[in-house]
Parts: sequence; structure tokens; C-alpha cells
Amino acid sequence: AQSVTQPDIHITVSEGASLELRCNYSYGATPYLFWYVQSPGQGLQLLLKYFSGDTLFQGIKGFEAEFKRSQSSFNLRKPSVHWSDAAEYFCAVGAGMDSSYKLIFGSGTRLLVRP
Amino acid sequence: GAGVSQSPSNKVTEKGKDVELRCDPISGHTALYWYRQSLGQGLEFLIYFQGNSAPDKSGLPSDRFSAERTGGSVSTLTIQRTQQEDSAVYLCASSPSPGILAKNIQYFGAGTRLSVL
Repeated sequence: AQSVTQPDIHITVSEGASLELRCNYSYGATPYLFWYVQSPGQGLQLLLKYFSGDTLFQGIKGFEAEFKRSQSSFNLRKPSVHWSDAAEYFCAVGAGMDSSYKLIFGSGTRLLVRP
Repeated sequence: GAGVSQSPSNKVTEKGKDVELRCDPISGHTALYWYRQSLGQGLEFLIYFQGNSAPDKSGLPSDRFSAERTGGSVSTLTIQRTQQEDSAVYLCASSPSPGILAKNIQYFGAGTRLSVL
């Protein structure tokens, strides 16, 4: 069965420091992978997506993610964190038939940013 | 509209009452999804509508939950005889072109926070 694991429930980093949020997936075929961010009281905003091809992807707000098939991972990174990045981050895998899919989410990682 | 709109933003109800949650997708989007976000279960898929096809109801937790989508646009999620464990944020998403993978991105509304007393 498809699943997504985000091993870190919360992470605290200092403003300006680098960030890596971990995501591991389990999926039998080529995965469609996503990172979403949720600010308090807001819906989910797409940061970046992986469908096929390259392994390093650039998203919005300076985020990037690296897809490693051998490790079944899709970790999210940012070189320098801003205070406005404090939010909850969800990794998801798309699963379904006929190219139309439902998202299976990880449990999320809450990011706290120290001034 | 500019984005996915959900109403109400907050709903407080008594145990045993029925509730209806509304989702207005982005204009022109053919696919619509409902998810539930709760403390104990995280984000769970509930149901998926695509055009006139039969919906994928595989995520609905019980027969107290149902959803419909009228005219291929607005959707209503109905929970009958609400229970305290139904308390959660219910998120709706829509996507433009499920048959074109590169465009099959789900855009989420802000959600409806349901509290069952």
C-alpha cells in the first residue's frame, strides 16, 4: 500500500540557517510526489512537485527538493530560512488510476523559526 | 472565482445533528476532492469527483458521510448524526485537467473547521 513518512514531527531552526525536511514514500510504481505548506488557518499551498525526469526540483519561495529513487526519498531543502517560513509542511504521493489521483499525505512537519 | 471557496469557515454543532459543508471549486476545474484533517489521523482522502464519472468514495469513513456535486461545479459534503470523532478540518481541492498529468495539481481551499460538542 502507498504511504508517506515524515519522521520529524517538528523542527526548529534559526533564521538564516539551512533547512532539510525529510520525506520517505512507499509506492509500487513511478511516484508523483508533492510538497505542500500550510500556514495557520490557511489551506495547503503547493511548493513543488515531481512527476518524472530530473532529480532536483526548484519550487516557490526558494525551496527545492531532491528525489532519490534508491532511498525512496523526496527531501525538501532551503538554503536560508526566513521567519515567514514557519508553518507546517506536508509531503504527499499521488495515487490512483487513469492519471487522476488522490493524495496520500505524510503526518506533517511543523517548522519553527528562531529569530 | 480566484480560488477554492469553502463555507462555512467554522461550524459548531451538537452530537447527533446533521451538517452540510460546501465547496466552490476554481472555475473550469473538472476534478474535485474532499479531505479531512484531524489530530489523530492527519490528512485523509475522503472522496473524488471527476466530470460525470462515478465518484471515488473509497475514503469515506462511514455511511454517515456522503457528498454530491451538482452541475459539475459546487459540491456539498454531508455528515449525518455527527459524532465527536467527526471534529476536524474538512478541506476541499480542485484540479484542472486530470488527464494531463503535468496540469493535475490540486488547489486547496482554506477548509471548514467542524466542532461537534
